[in-house]
Amino acid sequence: LAKTTQPISMDSYEGQEVNITCSHNNIATNDYITWYQQFPSQGPRFIIQGYKTKVTNEVASLFIPADRKSSTLSLPRVSLSDTAVYYCLVGGITGYSTLTFGKGTMLLVSP
Amino acid sequence: DTGVSQNPRHKITKRGQNVTFRCDPISEHNRLYWYRQTLGQGPEFLTYFQNEAQLEKSRLLSDRFSAERPKGSFSTLEIQRTEQGDSAMYLCASSLASLLAGGYNEQFFGPGTRLTVL
Repeated sequence: LAKTTQPISMDSYEGQEVNITCSHNNIATNDYITWYQQFPSQGPRFIIQGYKTKVTNEVASLFIPADRKSSTLSLPRVSLSDTAVYYCLVGGITGYSTLTFGKGTMLLVSP
Repeated sequence: DTGVSQNPRHKITKRGQNVTFRCDPISEHNRLYWYRQTLGQGPEFLTYFQNEAQLEKSRLLSDRFSAERPKGSFSTLEIQRTEQGDSAMYLCASSLASLLAGGYNEQFFGPGTRLTVL
């Protein structure tokens, strides 16, 4: 599985846009990029997934450049409740069952 | 709420005791996973089931750990002769995997069982 690298922590203020970048230099052709969010004392929760270019849902956007060696999770207008750990994962959809989490990025949103 | 549930939410035990955790997945999900998470780390995969069959086990799952999923519904994770190093959050997740569905088999996680071994 491709290894991912992301910042250990980030700080932001309410109302700002937050971009968390993840590096995955060894991403394979059939790998997808998936982001999970985890609040303290809760299990992780799926946020978004993409393969290339840009994906947007009601929660976030995911930007993936053409070489796919990195990806950026964009959270628009964060609120205090977005304070959480964000994990970037890389893996193929078909046939892969397990998720390999790194240490994630701890996002702290302040008033 | 029809999400993944885990019981108990917290368990404190003495070293050497056996403990058992239960996970009830989302009812129509055929895959069930167990992960372990220690402080400051992301979850680590332990094992997963497709229906009642245990298809994969991590080398993290020592002989003291055993998981079952009778009838392909709920699952139990038992740790025998607990050690202080077993203290962690144990997370269960479930997903619906279908060759016909295509796309991503999103895993839905439960709230976890926090184990403290004294």
